[in-house]
Amino acid sequence: AQSVTQLGSHVSVSEGALVLLRCNYSSSVPPYLFWYVQYPNQGLQLLLKYTSAATLVKGINGFEAEFKKSETSFHLTKPSAHMSDAAEYFCAVSVNTGGFKTIFGAGTRLFVKA
Amino acid sequence: GAGVSQTPSNKVTEKGKYVELRCDPISGHTALYWYRQSLGQGPEFLIYFQGTGAADDSGLPNDRFFAVRPEGSVSTLKIQRTERGDSAVYLCASSLSSGNGNEQFFGPGTRLTVL
Repeated sequence: AQSVTQLGSHVSVSEGALVLLRCNYSSSVPPYLFWYVQYPNQGLQLLLKYTSAATLVKGINGFEAEFKKSETSFHLTKPSAHMSDAAEYFCAVSVNTGGFKTIFGAGTRLFVKA
Repeated sequence: GAGVSQTPSNKVTEKGKYVELRCDPISGHTALYWYRQSLGQGPEFLIYFQGTGAADDSGLPNDRFFAVRPEGSVSTLKIQRTERGDSAVYLCASSLSSGNGNEQFFGPGTRLTVL
């Protein structure tokens, strides 16, 4: 069965610093991988997705993620944090096992300090 | 265009009562998903519809939970004999089809509180 582990329930960075949010997955078949963001009092919004094309995926708001099969990782990065990036971030995995269930990680809350 | 909408936004009920939560997906989206999000956790898959049929209901926790989508559009999640542990935010999402690479668009959720 597939699963997702997000390392660090809280991450704090200074404005302008590198953002790195870690995600490791487990899947017995080639996965589709996603990062979603949830701003306070808003619904989840897709940041980016990996669907077996390029391993480096660029998303909205300057975020990108790299799929590393050997490390079973899909870490999310942004070169320079902005105050508006403060939110909850969720990594998710989806595989075709006869159904299309999507499994989410527990989430990482990003704090950005001025 | 209009996004996914969910009603009510908040529902407070008493233990043992029956509740219905409604989801209006984006027009034209054939796939619809229900998730449950407890405090401090990620969304937990409950059930997924392709059209009118439940293609995967393996996430429903027990037989008190049931969902329908009779006309392939609006869906209702029904919870019988509610328990305090059912308190959570119930999220609905829709996508163009059921392909794995398709983006799911989420509604704002219904916050259910069972007293």
